[in-house]
Amino acid sequence: DTAVSQTPKYLVTQMGNDKSIKCEQNLGHDTMYWYKQDSKKFLKIMFSYNNKELIINETVPNRFSPKSPDKAHLNLHINSLELGDSAVYFCASSQAGRGTEAFFGQGTRLTVV
Amino acid sequence: EDQVTQSPEALRLQEGESSSLNCSYTVSGLRGLFWYRQDPGKGPEFLFTLYSAGEEKEKERLKATLTKKESFLHITAPKPEDSATYLCAAVESGANNLFFGTGTRLTVIP
Repeated sequence: DTAVSQTPKYLVTQMGNDKSIKCEQNLGHDTMYWYKQDSKKFLKIMFSYNNKELIINETVPNRFSPKSPDKAHLNLHINSLELGDSAVYFCASSQAGRGTEAFFGQGTRLTVV
Repeated sequence: EDQVTQSPEALRLQEGESSSLNCSYTVSGLRGLFWYRQDPGKGPEFLFTLYSAGEEKEKERLKATLTKKESFLHITAPKPEDSATYLCAAVESGANNLFFGTGTRLTVIP
């Protein structure tokens, strides 16, 4: 059983399009995240979502919007895609509180052409 | 401002040649220091969590240690399958999200 699964694994799209990446976790965790890994392999938090509370990172353009239909799912919707959005996006989950490590999905490689 | 710095950026070792990776951190109250391994095309895989200075954790050929300013990942007698990027991340007090360093790309040559 895959703990954190993301779809799709690869996404190639044109500038200006709108796309979504889906994430599901079956670990029973109450906190989910989206991270972005750039071309230099640097991983940076975009959003964290704890139960019904969304914590927005100020450096993320408002073209990016996370949507959580329930505790096990956190999808990422991106409007008006730009070339600079090309990166690998990772979903992760953890149980809030000291001591619990985050589990990551396999990543979605987004290429904007 | 929170900062996590890893060194070296890349490290090539002969099989069996032990070494250490460094992670220096500056956060507003450390909640936890995490080590992850990332293989090409995959998501980070959890290795260790350290909470307080003086703490050590081991797993096979890896041993992680923590001081008030930095953490070390010691690799004893590495094998080619240990080749990967090793990521260090800090979680500050009151937060849950990981603040990552830029990683150390380890290559172990047979």
